[in-house]
Amino acid sequence: KNEVEQSPQNLTAQEGEFITINCSYSVGISALHWLQQHPGGGIVSLFMLSSGKKKHGRLIATINIQEKHSSLHITASHPRDSAVYICAASKAMYSGGGADGLTFGKGTHLIIQP
Amino acid sequence: KAGVTQTPRYLIKTRGQQVTLSCSPISGHRSVSWYQQTPGQGLQFLFEYFSETQRNKGNFPGRFSGRQFSNSRSEMNVSTLELGDSALYLCASSLGGPNTGELFFGEGSRLTVL
Repeated sequence: KNEVEQSPQNLTAQEGEFITINCSYSVGISALHWLQQHPGGGIVSLFMLSSGKKKHGRLIATINIQEKHSSLHITASHPRDSAVYICAASKAMYSGGGADGLTFGKGTHLIIQP
Repeated sequence: KAGVTQTPRYLIKTRGQQVTLSCSPISGHRSVSWYQQTPGQGLQFLFEYFSETQRNKGNFPGRFSGRQFSNSRSEMNVSTLELGDSALYLCASSLGGPNTGELFFGEGSRLTVL
């Protein structure tokens, strides 16, 4: 089982719909990142969360540390939101050792149809 | 301010050769991390450098190595290339590292091994 699991793998929706992408992780983390990747490869960081909720424009990210779960929401979705969304866990630092690098989910391929 | 610059953007090598990729981070960022992206494995962490020291290393063979210079620019090297090394190699810079801050990704170097 992967340490970071995303669902759904693929999602097609109509313009204007409310979108939710889920991310569950099985390791202790110090931070969780949500990333967006458009065709061609470029990756943009959307959020870095360690607790609670963050909002940027039509994007909202939440994290529940106790349940080891994070969600990315897109309100009033638009075709330009079509991309791959990737969550990545930054593992917690434990005494006696350095932090591990990021562990990535497999990504959610989102298509918003006009 | 200038973003993260990766060079070269595209390159083709043959099996057995070696390759060096370069990453210039955003000015003032001391952390540079490297990632490999393939269709089969998705994104995987290679290593992270902070102030010229390797802080973390992913689960890759010793053929993959890196270094960071005093100006925070980083290079990664892959020796004795294999077909499976064909991938998009991404670097990301941040102020303090993936545990503490937003990541800024370069456009990537797409390596094809023939």
